[in-house]
Amino acid sequence: QTALTQPASVSGSPGQSITISCSGTSADVGGHDYVSWYQQYPGKAPKLLIYDVDKRPSGVSNRFSGSKSGNTASLTISGIQTEDEADYYCSSYASNSVLKIFGAGTKVTVL
Amino acid sequence: QVVLQESGPGLVKPSESLSLVCNVSGGSISSSNYYWAWIRQPPGKGLEWIASIFYTGRSFHTPSLRSRVTISADTSKNLFSLEMRSVTAADTAVYYCARQKAIFGAKGLGPRGCFDPWGQGTLLTVSS
Repeated sequence: QTALTQPASVSGSPGQSITISCSGTSADVGGHDYVSWYQQYPGKAPKLLIYDVDKRPSGVSNRFSGSKSGNTASLTISGIQTEDEADYYCSSYASNSVLKIFGAGTKVTVL
Repeated sequence: QVVLQESGPGLVKPSESLSLVCNVSGGSISSSNYYWAWIRQPPGKGLEWIASIFYTGRSFHTPSLRSRVTISADTSKNLFSLEMRSVTAADTAVYYCARQKAIFGAKGLGPRGCFDPWGQGTLLTVSS
């Protein structure tokens, strides 16, 4: 597994909730609780949103939440706002030679 | 508050070698809680983990780049570096350095955790 699978794009209207999926295998997402999510605006560095599947760093809005079921992790943005338009990446520890892998990223659009 | 700042040559020619440096301020790279990592992002594409290093020198590399990269740490200067050899156009990317949470596993303290914070990134272009 060289990359986790994410949808290329997800959209929603302001105030709605959206969910971004991140699919892997038992060697990565399914086998460890070291899934993290990052938000990236164009031309900017990624910012940590969620770590260890469902933990939120200090300062991150509680509109962002993470979960995992089997080999798929999910990021939910509740009450989506225009400022949430960005790219979102998932990442996981992998118990093979790669060690750390990312998803290809999901572009979130607020309609 | 830990702040990371990358620096690099900007433009290199194919087949050349380069060195990227990440200066860390507001915290010590000699912390036993963290690894220090390099991650890159080609233009318009996703993120790729390159390598991580602990202050003791223990390091890990992604297999596809292992033969061409060396990560090192200088605790006296509180910085860590990435050397890349025989570069090609495919190495053109924004290179980020980041602090990575160290987590105990079956083989000891390893680079299993999340990346936070990140540096602002430095663009490396490989072109003749």
